[in-house]
Amino acid sequence: EVQLVESGGDLVHPGGSLRLSCAASGFTFSSYSMNWVRQAPGKGLEWVSYISSSSSTIHYADSVKGRFTISRDNAKNSLYLQMNSLRDEDTAVYYCASSGWYGYYFDYWGQGTLVTVSS
Amino acid sequence: DIVMTQSPATLSVSPGERVTLSCRASQSVSSNLAWYQQKPGQAPRLLIYGASTRDTGIPGRFSGSGSGTELTLTISSLQSEDFAVYYCQQYHKWPWTFGQGTKVEIK
Repeated sequence: EVQLVESGGDLVHPGGSLRLSCAASGFTFSSYSMNWVRQAPGKGLEWVSYISSSSSTIHYADSVKGRFTISRDNAKNSLYLQMNSLRDEDTAVYYCASSGWYGYYFDYWGQGTLVTVSS
Repeated sequence: DIVMTQSPATLSVSPGERVTLSCRASQSVSSNLAWYQQKPGQAPRLLIYGASTRDTGIPGRFSGSGSGTELTLTISSLQSEDFAVYYCQQYHKWPWTFGQGTKVEIK
């Protein structure tokens, strides 16, 4: 059974940093591209970042470019999101999600971890 | 960026009814479109990819159609477990974008 388990969400002050992790199991993690998708409270979904299976290709949404860094460790079956210079508008549930085999949709999702940016 | 617009924002329906949700793209996304279902407190669940291919385990009452700028999700006979928010997402061009969602609620 595919499982994606996020961790690392917390309350942080504006300007602060946080590192999210996503532990994967039940599939060959090293063969799949991965993503972070977020959802502000009561709002819709926003794609945040993408990393290819070998980390050779990385994309970011403009809203986080230059502040967030996605990475992965295939030996540890783990995905990460380093979040710096956090803003109020980064408050959201952050989901890790795998890319589909036939395209860049999101076929498996974790349960999410809540990041709250507030003074 | 490609803007995805879903309509209606909210749909009030009775169990057993047929439901049609619309997703319009600001430019063509070809068939590079997915549909997700999200229930309160849960992560989204993939229903459809490639505009019309049901993901593994998705009931046959869910179907997707269309291509280009006009795409549709149809639920042939709404069941109680189908009351949720539905999102479309294009993966034709970076950055990938979602529609704002359609909430299907009990009438």
